[in-house]
Formats: sequence, C-alpha cells, structure tokens
Amino acid sequence: QKEVEQNSGPLSVPEGAIASLNCTYSDRGSQSFFWYRQYSGKSPELIMSIYSNGDKEDGRFTAQLNKASQYVSLLIRDSQPSDSATYLCAVITPDYGNKLVFGAGTILRVKS
Amino acid sequence: GAVVSQHPSWVICKSGTSVKIECRSLDFQATTMFWYRQFPKQSLMLMATSNEGSKATYEQGVEKDKFLINHASLTLSTLTVTSAHPEDSSFYICSATDGEETQYFGPGTRLLVL
Repeated sequence: QKEVEQNSGPLSVPEGAIASLNCTYSDRGSQSFFWYRQYSGKSPELIMSIYSNGDKEDGRFTAQLNKASQYVSLLIRDSQPSDSATYLCAVITPDYGNKLVFGAGTILRVKS
Repeated sequence: GAVVSQHPSWVICKSGTSVKIECRSLDFQATTMFWYRQFPKQSLMLMATSNEGSKATYEQGVEKDKFLINHASLTLSTLTVTSAHPEDSSFYICSATDGEETQYFGPGTRLLVL
C-alpha cells in the first residue's frame, strides 16, 4: 500500500474554473502536509503547508485537511493556463523521521 | 527568502568520469539537506539526507560509495556521482530546511552520461 496516494490524472479544467486535487495518506500519525507544484522539467516549488484540520487559504489556493479521514486536498480557484503543472502532495510521517513522503503527483491541465 | 541554488544546472559527461553537484542555501542556514533523483514521468526519489558536519544517511538501495555526499557547512552540500554510467543520467534535485519541516528545493541539475 502506497503511503501517499494521488490520482495521476490528467485533470482537465476550463480556464476560470475551480480545480480540486486530492491526496490520501496511510499513516494516521502524520502531522505535516505540503503541496508542491512542479512544472515540466523544473524542480518542485512549495505552494502551501497545512498542519491543522480545516481550511488554509493563500490567494487562489486553499488547502483542506481532514485527519480523521486521512485526506488533504488543494483547491485552485479561477484556474489559469499557467497553473498547468504536476501537483505533488507530500507528508511527513513519524515512522519516516523528518523526510517527505511524496505522492506520485496529479497532472493538471487548464484549458483556455 | 528560503532560496536554494544548485550548480551546475546541467552537465554532460563521459561514462566513467565523476561529476560534482553543489547545493547552496542562499539566505538561511540549512541544518539538513536532502538529495533526490527524478527519472522522466516519475516522482521524486529520496537518495540521502545530510546534516552539517555528519555523515549522510542513505536510503535503501542507494550506493553510498557511488553517490558521495558532503555537507561541510550550513550553506553547502555536495553530491558527487563517481564513475558515472548512462543509467545515472537523471534529474538531481536538492532541498534544504532550516530546522523546520518545510523543504525548499533547488532548481535541479540535469545529468547526461554518454
């Protein structure tokens, strides 16, 4: 069983729509959750981190965490073609020290 | 803030040679640095974790004698791929933390071994 699971996609949304990206994790003791964006041929860049249940908003991005259900999601409002990238969910789990466990990533395509 | 640089950004070398990649934290002191490798259409694979002044901790299956890691200062870690072969061709990415959990990634180094 993979520790961090994401739908590989591609997820296609029209420009201006809300893109919803989901991630589930297996270790119930996980405390720290991150969303990274990776453009093709580039390294990951941090979008958001979230540590507590509920929503965390930053501009057009909202991260949602539900520890009871073991999922974390990322909403992108007013999606733009420039948002087209692979979105990586990453979790820090107690059994793995302070190392990030990455999901395989979801490819997002925003069509103009 | 939290800028991490890597050098070189790309390198082409002949099989059997060694290649050194530098990772620097530009505006913070990196207590821990991580080295990842990413093959096309795959996610990042952690190779090793390095703490300043101590030996690196390698992930299972990563040859420590082939991938030499040195974290000599709080702002610099190096990865040396020794006796590189074509199968070592990959995208090598470092990340750094300042003691907190958030990892900031460098821009990556693309290695091509001929």
